[in-house]
Amino acid sequence: DGGITQSPKYLFRKEGQNVTLSCEQNLNHDAMYWYRQDPGQGLRLIYYSQIVNDFQKGDIAEGYSVSREKKESFPLTVTSAQKNPTAFYLCASAAQGSEQYFGPGTRLTVT
Amino acid sequence: AQSVSQHNHHVILSEAASLELGCNYSYGGTVNLFWYVQYPGQHLQLLLKYFSGDPLVKGIKGFEAEFIKSKFSFNLRKPSVQWSDTAEYFCAVRGGYNNNDMRFGAGTRLTVKP
Repeated sequence: DGGITQSPKYLFRKEGQNVTLSCEQNLNHDAMYWYRQDPGQGLRLIYYSQIVNDFQKGDIAEGYSVSREKKESFPLTVTSAQKNPTAFYLCASAAQGSEQYFGPGTRLTVT
Repeated sequence: AQSVSQHNHHVILSEAASLELGCNYSYGGTVNLFWYVQYPGQHLQLLLKYFSGDPLVKGIKGFEAEFIKSKFSFNLRKPSVQWSDTAEYFCAVRGGYNNNDMRFGAGTRLTVKP
């Protein structure tokens, strides 16, 4: 089955802890993206990567970090510096010039 | 940078009513435009897209959208909605083919009453 997987579906962490969200795709897409979805605010871009070993900050990159060591994988770390980390996180990928395909999302709750 | 505005936050319709969801964008150059849908508990999925050509684009499940360049708009329409169309709808814009930096609107929640 081709697609994007995100794990886990639900994640709970204590304040002050870093947490890494997984995103894997087997669509052979060059570009990958991380979005944050909050009620009434739509999707906001955190980071994106157009090619392995390269990534760019999106609109709300503060408090987040990413890596792109493999084409298939684009993990997102939510650091303790992120002031409001509780949210629904969506990963997406796209072929050059084509539409984005989305994963099922990870709901992160930080208490 | 481009931005997207969706005018309606929550739309409530009865089955068989017609639907039009507004989407305006700000970007001066060539754009690619998209409508995505998120059904309750499901992935975001593509409804339709516009890259070039006929400005009236048909998508899945009877949806269509019209690109009006002079108005910077890409409104989504459906002549007769069904209860199963209850979902959140997102408009998105990307600047041209080579720019992978896409922007989404805030979304419109559609509730269709049976």
